[in-house]
Amino acid sequence: AQKITQTQPGMFVQEKEAVTLDCTYDTSDPSYGLFWYKQPSSGEMIFLIYQGSYDQQNATEGRYSLNFQKARKSANLVISASQLGDSAMYFCAMREGFEANNLFFGTGTRLTVIP
Amino acid sequence: DTEVTQTPKHLVMGMTNKKSLKCEQHMGHRAMYWYKQKAKKPPELMFVYSYEKLSINESVPSRFSPECPNSSLLNLHLHALQPEDSALYLCASSQEHFTGELFFGEGSRLTVL
Repeated sequence: AQKITQTQPGMFVQEKEAVTLDCTYDTSDPSYGLFWYKQPSSGEMIFLIYQGSYDQQNATEGRYSLNFQKARKSANLVISASQLGDSAMYFCAMREGFEANNLFFGTGTRLTVIP
Repeated sequence: DTEVTQTPKHLVMGMTNKKSLKCEQHMGHRAMYWYKQKAKKPPELMFVYSYEKLSINESVPSRFSPECPNSSLLNLHLHALQPEDSALYLCASSQEHFTGELFFGEGSRLTVL
């Protein structure tokens, strides 16, 4: 079974608007971490935000926030005030167990910001 | 600028060649990773080194041979590759036993002719 599911292959957003990228996950481990990465065309994977399974508050990092709904097993990324430089591929990922050495990645969502 | 440096950025090789990809980090991280990413696909884990010892090998064919000479360096030796091995190879590092992120390099784009 897929551990991470991203159902939006592509998304478009107007510059300065907010956009939500969906991510659902599947695990039976009570301890896990959820990550969002951005991959521009250059290839580098850029870390955006992290949410631990025991964190009570939703994570925020600047214009990025993670809408964590544990019961629904969803970890959606919200980007506020979109900029042209936000156009990239976005991957949701999960680490099962806090000492695990692997990240499972979703299939990604390509975000295009329209001027 | 990324703190994980990968060389070369681009590599073209024939199926009989032997080449190596190199990765370096100076963040004091004790876990280092090789991921393979095909076009329009997510990264897939190949190998993990923890404290310079191979801890995970995701059933990767023996034509890929990883090496961790010290805690800052990670190599991937390539021999007798197939055209389907053409991909972006990403190196990453992380603190051991840490809930935080993996730091990725920009990748080495490999083409096998």
